[in-house]
Amino acid sequence: HLQLQESGPGLVKPSETLSLTCAVSGDSVSSTSFYWGWIRQPPGKGLEWIGSIYYGGTTYYNPSLKSRVTIFVDTSKNQFSLNLTSVTAADTAVYYCVARWGTFDPWGQGTLVTVAS
Amino acid sequence: SSDLTQPPSVSVSPGQTATITCSGNEVGKTFASWYQQRPGQSPEMVIYQDKQRPSGIPGRFSGSKSGNTATLTITGTQAMDEGDYFCQAWNSDTVSFVFGTGTKVTVL
Repeated sequence: HLQLQESGPGLVKPSETLSLTCAVSGDSVSSTSFYWGWIRQPPGKGLEWIGSIYYGGTTYYNPSLKSRVTIFVDTSKNQFSLNLTSVTAADTAVYYCVARWGTFDPWGQGTLVTVAS
Repeated sequence: SSDLTQPPSVSVSPGQTATITCSGNEVGKTFASWYQQRPGQSPEMVIYQDKQRPSGIPGRFSGSKSGNTATLTITGTQAMDEGDYFCQAWNSDTVSFVFGTGTKVTVL
């Protein structure tokens, strides 16, 4: 039973880098069966796909965020991570990690990241 | 990338049918998925590949598509079906996934 759990700072200062980790349990992050990704949801608003990664390291990013986003896998810890640079208040959101490509399932519980000084 | 268009809200009486539409060029070119987000919870996929239902999702949820519009139907709606519903598809022009604007379902 695949499960995902996000972790990371709940508060990030403007212009700094947002870094989140998603711990994977119930399968290997190196599995060829899955893509791993991140989706975010600003408070009270809709969903935005940030990007996804395949086990071999191939990444796909939302064009609107591509210049600031990096997603990578840590096989030794069975987890994958998100870095988002030069954050502003507009990056305040609940960040979800997800599995699979285009049929996002399951989702982590989500973690709220607030960008403020 | 532009969001897919959904009605902001749908109200339905218990036991009746709720219908949610999702429109956009992307829907006509690829598969649509639907997600339910109950208040305070993470989204959960309820339909994939336009009309397929994941294991564990009740049979009252069904999906269909015609042209550039996908439809999620909840037959015999229950109070537990209240929440926000989002459609999602692939945009081959921008090479990215896009979501619908979201529909709030209220069971009166």
